[in-house]
Amino acid sequence: NAGVTQTPKFQVLKTGQSMTLQCAQDMNHEYMSWYRQDPGMGLRLIHYSVGAGITDQGEVPNGYNVSRSTTEDFPLRLLSAAPSQTSVYFCASSYFVQGAGGYTFGSGTRLTVV
Amino acid sequence: KQEVTQIPAALSVPEGENLVLNCSFTDSAIYNLQWFRQDPGKGLTSLLLIQSSQREQTSGRLNASLDKSSGRSTLYIAASQPGDSATYLCAASNDYKLSFGAGTTVTVRA
Repeated sequence: NAGVTQTPKFQVLKTGQSMTLQCAQDMNHEYMSWYRQDPGMGLRLIHYSVGAGITDQGEVPNGYNVSRSTTEDFPLRLLSAAPSQTSVYFCASSYFVQGAGGYTFGSGTRLTVV
Repeated sequence: KQEVTQIPAALSVPEGENLVLNCSFTDSAIYNLQWFRQDPGKGLTSLLLIQSSQREQTSGRLNASLDKSSGRSTLYIAASQPGDSATYLCAASNDYKLSFGAGTTVTVRA
């Protein structure tokens, strides 16, 4: 089925560990982005990409790295996990830059940092 | 910076009643506005997308209106059902990002 696929669905990390959250879409969308959702804070943009080789920071980029080597994939890297990064992470893609086609979201990754 | 507000934060209605969910945004230079549904512990499901040039969109029992000049959008759900119980999020699109409201949590009582 066409859509946005995120892996893993759940992850527990120890403080200081690193990991990569995977995001892939098969809709040939130029735009991809990462959000985190926290109680009382809503969804906040971490990083986004308007095409392969192009990335930029969102509202809360600290502690996260991204790269976009292909149109389909947009992984999010946590370099040294901290308890403050405990959250639910969503990847989203859009048909058109600036979201003219609307956004499609993945099912999320629930991350706990202990 | 775009600020999106949703009122009310929570709503409880008996089955069959119509629902009215409000969304307001501060920057009217949006490309579109999108309504999502989120069930507990789940992802976001897109319900309706309204382009900035449109006034409303309809899908089944759902209708969303958009008034850019006043910075408002309203989601109407007709003849509510217990299966409509969820959190509804509105999101305004501009400057390469979606800005989300905090959501309205709806409970439809059987």
